[in-house]
Amino acid sequence: GEDVEQSLFLSVREGDSSVINCTYTDSSSTYLYWYKQEPGAGLQLLTYIFSNMDMKQDQRLTVLLNKKDKHLSLRIADTQTGDSAIYFCAENEEYGGATNKLIFGTGTLLAVQP
Amino acid sequence: DGGITQSPKYLFRKEGQNVTLSCEQNLNHDAMYWYRQDPGQGLRLIYYSQIVNDFQKGDIAEGYSVSREKKESFPLTVTSAQKNPTAFYLCASSIAGTSRTQYFGPGTRLLVL
Repeated sequence: GEDVEQSLFLSVREGDSSVINCTYTDSSSTYLYWYKQEPGAGLQLLTYIFSNMDMKQDQRLTVLLNKKDKHLSLRIADTQTGDSAIYFCAENEEYGGATNKLIFGTGTLLAVQP
Repeated sequence: DGGITQSPKYLFRKEGQNVTLSCEQNLNHDAMYWYRQDPGQGLRLIYYSQIVNDFQKGDIAEGYSVSREKKESFPLTVTSAQKNPTAFYLCASSIAGTSRTQYFGPGTRLLVL
């Protein structure tokens, strides 16, 4: 089956940049997503990238996609303590012509030290 | 405000009991999904529905049941056949079709007494 892998933990100091990495296996994925989950809460969509793009920037967030290596990264500039959360990478899996299923990684816990 | 609501926030289940988790959305989305989240793991798909009165099993449907009688509602029942129900349950919705972004509710935490 399809698989998405992420490192479990990342610690950074406030003001530094954070880079969260993800590898996926389904080369047919058309969209790749980054979600943020704060303690005890649901998932908040942060950003997504279409598979024919290499990079997408949205304020402090930069997504890089290396389709050849099936590698996705999320860079958070000027990381703040409010960015502390679990970050999930997800790829979409399409089947049946009309069905959209997300395959999630295990999540990366980002801890921002003041 | 448009969004997805889940209730209750916490739910306790006794042995042998069925419990139902509510999920409602006012986003006018056709597709709805239920995921289960266990500590240190990603989300796993339980059931999904692309249209009213139709739904399909996901990867871990055993011990769960759903209904989709209304577009805005997709309740999940955790039956007594689910032997390890303690988890965080997340509902999501999206516009129907492929590659559509899913939006999530706040989740329900189910605990077994």
